[in-house]
Amino acid sequence: DSGVTQTPKHLITATGQRVTLRCSPRSGDLSVYWYQQSLDQGLQFLIQYYNGEERAKGNILERFSAQQFPDLHSELNLSSLELGDSALYFCASSPRGGQTGDIQYFGAGTRLSVL
Amino acid sequence: QKEVEQDPGPLSVPEGAIVSLNCTYSNSAFQYFMWYRQYSRKGPELLMYTYSSGNKEDGRFTAQVDKSSKYISLFIRDSQPSDSATYLCAMSGVGNTPLVFGKGTRLSVIA
Repeated sequence: DSGVTQTPKHLITATGQRVTLRCSPRSGDLSVYWYQQSLDQGLQFLIQYYNGEERAKGNILERFSAQQFPDLHSELNLSSLELGDSALYFCASSPRGGQTGDIQYFGAGTRLSVL
Repeated sequence: QKEVEQDPGPLSVPEGAIVSLNCTYSNSAFQYFMWYRQYSRKGPELLMYTYSSGNKEDGRFTAQVDKSSKYISLFIRDSQPSDSATYLCAMSGVGNTPLVFGKGTRLSVIA
């Protein structure tokens, strides 16, 4: 068990809908990262938060947004969902801000199915 | 050309075999190299972490980095059925640069 908790485990929804994925980082970790994993693209970095502030942005669509709350948990909001958004979404956390040597620990993921 | 290339397999070997998993990359700024193992329906877990060129050994696992060839490898000795998983290489540059992952190689070790 990595200590990173993601809910829900599975999510089934329809096109055009909006969903929220939740992540609780390991105790003491300040950074949270969101990734999308699909069969054709592999694991793609979406966004990083450090101590409540956005730190780095990857290939995140404008329909997607995230935030990190004062208790350090994070939420990833996906709106106007399309069939192609069906994927595994992983959250990872690390002790610091992603500096050299900062190890990322992954949660078990949320499987999103858009029908 | 993708930044990180990894043969997706699948790779099937008998128990006890030596397994070689590889990634190539194009970005010469990468300095930190990792191997993650991902079991079915689980998140990736860090297996090996190396900096720059050279070898690192941990039990049955050896990670090799050849920066001159932009090539990294993971060797698994005396492979076990419990090693059956997808292995992802990942790498990053100095400072707060995002991890870039390979697509993963699916390994099956047959008893």
